[in-house]
Amino acid sequence: ILNVEQSPQSLHVQEGDSTNFTCSFPSSNFYALHWYRWETAKSPEALFVMTLNGDEKKKGRISATLNTKEGYSYLYIKGSQPEDSATYLCASDTGRRALTFGSGTRLQVQP
Amino acid sequence: DVKVTQSSRYLVKRTGEKVFLECVQDMDHENMFWYRQDPGLGLRLIYFSYDVKMKEKGDIPEGYSVSREKKERFSLILESASTNQTSMYLCASSLLAGRRYEQYFGPGTRLTVT
Repeated sequence: ILNVEQSPQSLHVQEGDSTNFTCSFPSSNFYALHWYRWETAKSPEALFVMTLNGDEKKKGRISATLNTKEGYSYLYIKGSQPEDSATYLCASDTGRRALTFGSGTRLQVQP
Repeated sequence: DVKVTQSSRYLVKRTGEKVFLECVQDMDHENMFWYRQDPGLGLRLIYFSYDVKMKEKGDIPEGYSVSREKKERFSLILESASTNQTSMYLCASSLLAGRRYEQYFGPGTRLTVT
C-alpha cells in the first residue's frame, strides 16, 4: 500500500535555481526516513537516512529536513545544476525490514 | 564499494515463459529485496529475504516466487510470464533491518513480455 506521498511529481527548473520538494509519510511507527537519488540509466543511490525529529542533513548543495510529529520531510537543492537532474525518492522505514517508497519527484534542470 | 549486480539490463520474453531474474551482492548483506517500478507508482516491494532460505511476501507477490539458496544471491522467478509483468525490476540489499541501514540497488532489469 502506497502511503508515502511525494510532491510535485515533476519539476523543471533553470540552472542556478534553488528548488525543494516534499515527502509525506505516516508519523505512527516511524523509525527512519530515507532519501534516494535515481539518475537515468543508473542505480538509485542513498542520499540521507534521517531518524530524529528536527534533523537536518546536508550533502554538498543538497539538504533535507525532517518533521516526524507531522510526518513530512523536505529536500532542498541550492543552485541546481544539470547533473542534479534525476528522480528523487523518499521511503518510510518502520524498522520492520522493508521500506515503503513514494512515487518520486522527477527533476529536470535546464542549462 | 558495495556492488549489486543483476543478470540482464534488458529482457524480452513471451507470454507463458518461465523467467528468472538473478541478483548478486558482494557485501555479505543479510537482507535482499525485489521491487518493480512502474510509472507513477513508485517502487513496489515484491518479495524480500532476511536470511538464506528465508523469504517474506511484499506488497505485490502474486505471480512471482523467489529463491535464496546462498547469502549473496536472490532470484526472482516469474512462473508463467504475463504482459502485465512488463516492468522495470530492481534488486536491492542492506545490512540487518531495524538498524536504519540504507539499501543498495542494482542497475535494474527492464523486462518486456510480449
